[in-house]
Amino acid sequence: AQKITQTQPGMFVQEKEAVTLDCTYDTSDPSYGLFWYKQPSSGEMIFLIYQGSYDQQNATEGRYSLNFQKARKSANLVISASQLGDSAMYFCAMSPSGTYKYIFGTGTRLKVLA
Amino acid sequence: NAGVTQTPKFQVLKTGQSMTLQCAQDMNHEYMSWYRQDPGMGLRLIHYSVGAGITDQGEVPNGYNVSRSTTEDFPLRLLSAAPSQTSVYFCASSYSFGDSDDEQYFGPGTRLTVT
Repeated sequence: AQKITQTQPGMFVQEKEAVTLDCTYDTSDPSYGLFWYKQPSSGEMIFLIYQGSYDQQNATEGRYSLNFQKARKSANLVISASQLGDSAMYFCAMSPSGTYKYIFGTGTRLKVLA
Repeated sequence: NAGVTQTPKFQVLKTGQSMTLQCAQDMNHEYMSWYRQDPGMGLRLIHYSVGAGITDQGEVPNGYNVSRSTTEDFPLRLLSAAPSQTSVYFCASSYSFGDSDDEQYFGPGTRLTVT
């Protein structure tokens, strides 16, 4: 079965600290993409970062990096130097290439403390 | 570009009523999809389309119909609304399906309440 698991319903982090949001996935497809999205309290979905299953290097986008461990089937999001504006819900998603279906996790709500 | 637009933003229906949620994109994207978001359940795929005239079911298709007569538009029809369909609905599009760094662009969402 294709599945994304986010085991942390909620997280707190101090401003300027780094935080890791966990994501594990399950798929039998050899080719897939992994995505992270941010959903602020205003409700829109914002794309953050992408990792392809054949990418050798971990993806980075500014303060966001994706810690991709293929053997462990994990794709954790690391946010460095947290800001108050990072407080939001974060979703991990997967796109197994043979399915045409994006699969989302249940999300992690991050609260950044001043 | 307007991106992905959805109408209406809010809707209240009575049980048994039908309605259509509109979705349009102006980016010439081939792939479009509908999701529902419920507390604690993330986003669940309802239906998707890989191009005009081609649609298929997602994870939770029961009670919903879609069609894709043009590249731009992908309406979602609720046939006979039920309280279990109370949710926030998102439409999304991408140039192709995610085998590259081709992220989905999401509309602002429609908050639907069925009484």
